[in-house]
Amino acid sequence: GENVEQHPSTLSVQEGDSAVIKCTYSDSASNYFPWYKQELGKRPQLIIDIRSNVGEKKDQRIAVTLNKTAKHFSLHITETQPEDSAVYFCAASRKDTDKLIFGTGTRLQVFP
Amino acid sequence: NAGVTQTPKFRILKIGQSMTLQCTQDMNHNYMYWYRQDPGMGLKLIYYSVGAGITDKGEVPNGYNVSRSTTEDFPLRLELAAPSQTSVYFCASSKQVLEAFFGQGTRLTVV
Repeated sequence: GENVEQHPSTLSVQEGDSAVIKCTYSDSASNYFPWYKQELGKRPQLIIDIRSNVGEKKDQRIAVTLNKTAKHFSLHITETQPEDSAVYFCAASRKDTDKLIFGTGTRLQVFP
Repeated sequence: NAGVTQTPKFRILKIGQSMTLQCTQDMNHNYMYWYRQDPGMGLKLIYYSVGAGITDKGEVPNGYNVSRSTTEDFPLRLELAAPSQTSVYFCASSKQVLEAFFGQGTRLTVV
């Protein structure tokens, strides 16, 4: 079955710097790759997603890139702010099984 | 819209007891999921369902059972609770393979 690996497990950046989180997946048939943000004590919420027919997607300070050949995708956050501090999860899914499998998470800390 | 509602929010169980975690959604989503999140860890898929009457195992199904008799409800049953089942449980729903909406979670402690 699908296996999603996520790196790094923790990431500390200065406010205003960029942050990059990387995920690799094992199932070449996976075609949907969302990213979720979970603030302390709260539920995960979708921040951006990408499908396998697209290489890059941007939404203001957040972007996601996908390399299907290498089976990895990355989350890029520019001009980080203290409110970006949270745990970020990547996930992968394929149309025929519909399982949504999550990575292990990255704890991002943005220092003022 | 209430979205995805889970009950209870907190529960303490004794080893060997059983309980059902309730999950209901009012968005007419056909897909529903149960995840567990251990402290400082990621989300592990327990069971999922793509529609009423259809359920399938996820990554960590042992010790759990589910049913999906209606589109709205997807209860998770724990039989013979064990300390290893201490975790935060999240229910989620989505309209096919799109954004998954999560409930607020159930914090379960087995002592």
